Amino acid sequence: QKEVEQNSGPLSVPEGAIASLNCTYSDRGSQSFFWYRQYSGKSPELIMFIYSNGDKEDGRFTAQLNKASQYVSLLIRDSQPSDSATYLCAGGSNDYKLSFGAGTTVTVRA
Amino acid sequence: GAVVSQHPSRVICKSGTSVKIECRSLDFQATTMFWYRQFPKQSLMLMATSNEGSKATYEQGVEKDKFLINHASLTLSTLTVTSAHPEDSSFYICSAIPGTGGYEQYFGPGTRLTVT
Repeated sequence: QKEVEQNSGPLSVPEGAIASLNCTYSDRGSQSFFWYRQYSGKSPELIMFIYSNGDKEDGRFTAQLNKASQYVSLLIRDSQPSDSATYLCAGGSNDYKLSFGAGTTVTVRA
Repeated sequence: GAVVSQHPSRVICKSGTSVKIECRSLDFQATTMFWYRQFPKQSLMLMATSNEGSKATYEQGVEKDKFLINHASLTLSTLTVTSAHPEDSSFYICSAIPGTGGYEQYFGPGTRLTVT
């Protein structure tokens, strides 16, 4: 079974701080990894994807992938109240299916 | 780009009736779409993979005769919940993969189904 585990949270950070989200996966066949943001009552929105080991930066977001450790993380710099949401980590396989983690709820305190 | 729409956004139906939900890729063609279900405070559960021009493949435990999927064109997939019951009340979300060679799935806005 393809499992994706996320740090359970909830995570509360002050405005302007760095929010750090972690995710581990059990399927070594997973080739692609995704971070989605989901606001309450809304559908997930893709914010980052990463396929190769190392870091990938996009604005205030940095995704990190370590395939040897089966570990994916997301850093949100200069956190804003609008970043308050549930963040879903997902691992993808060659059949294009995604396995989602349970999600981590982030609250940014103004 | 990569915009996916769903219709309706909300639907309330009586127990025993059927409900059809449409999922459209607006600015790209999608040979593969996915249907998910999400219960309150839970993560997404994949129900089925919808393939244009062929039968959908269902995840274990999902009744294919209850959740009918039709992928009639490269921009449209439909999910019909047949003989709906209150336990089918959920948030149904579709996703699609643009044919650009990547694996990124883009989600529709979701359909909230309430069966009374």
